[in-house]
Amino acid sequence: GQQVMQIPQYQHVQEGEDFTTYCNSSTTLSNIQWYKQRPGGHPVFLIQLVKSGEVKKQKRLTFQFGEAKKNSSLHITATQTTDVGTYFCADHTGANSKLTFGKGITLSVRP
Amino acid sequence: NAGVTQTPKFQVLKTGQSMTLQCAQDMNHNSMYWYRQDPGMGLRLIYYSASEGTTDKGEVPNGYNVSRLNKREFSLRLESAAPSQTSVYFCASSKGGSYNEQFFGPGTRLTVL
Repeated sequence: GQQVMQIPQYQHVQEGEDFTTYCNSSTTLSNIQWYKQRPGGHPVFLIQLVKSGEVKKQKRLTFQFGEAKKNSSLHITATQTTDVGTYFCADHTGANSKLTFGKGITLSVRP
Repeated sequence: NAGVTQTPKFQVLKTGQSMTLQCAQDMNHNSMYWYRQDPGMGLRLIYYSASEGTTDKGEVPNGYNVSRLNKREFSLRLESAAPSQTSVYFCASSKGGSYNEQFFGPGTRLTVL
C-alpha cells in the first residue's frame, strides 16, 4: 500500500533556530495532511495540501507540497518551546477516507 | 461539543482477558477509526468504519473486533488480550470522503501483563 516516509525520527534544535522536516513517497499522492501531537496528547490536524506546489502558512509554520506531489515539507521559523511534539504527515490517497500515517518526527527544543 | 470521547483512559489486563474500548463522537461524522500507537511505529490503523453499518480492516486488525453501534459510537474489542497489544489506542472521526481532517480522542493507554 501507499507509504509515506519521515526521516529522521528525532530532531533536537536550539530555541530560535529554524527547523525543516520532510515527508516522502515513492508514488504520487492525492493529498497530504499534517498533524501535531504534543507529549502525552493526541494528534491534532494542522493542514491539508492538495495542489501541486501548494504552499500554506500558519504563523511560523510553512507547509509545502512538491511539484510532483511525491513529497511535502514543514518548516518552522524561529522555533519555540511550544513547538515541541511529534509531527506526522498522512497520505489521503486511499479510498474510503483512510489515512496512512508516516512514523513521525519528534522535535525537541532546547531553551 | 465534547468532540471525540474515549473510555477508559487507562486499563491494565492480564493475558487472556477481554475488554471493550468505547468511542463516541458528537460531530455527526460519518467515518470513524481505531488506531494503535507504539513507540517508533507511528499511528497504525486497526479498523475503520467509512459509514454507519460498514466496517473494514486496516493495517493491523488481528486480535481485534469492532462494532459500529450507531452513527455516534464505534467500539473496539479485544477478545483475548496479549502482551503484544500493550499500546495507546486512539479513536478518530471525520466527515468522510476525500479531503477531510480527522479528529482524535484523548486515547486509552492499555497494558497487558
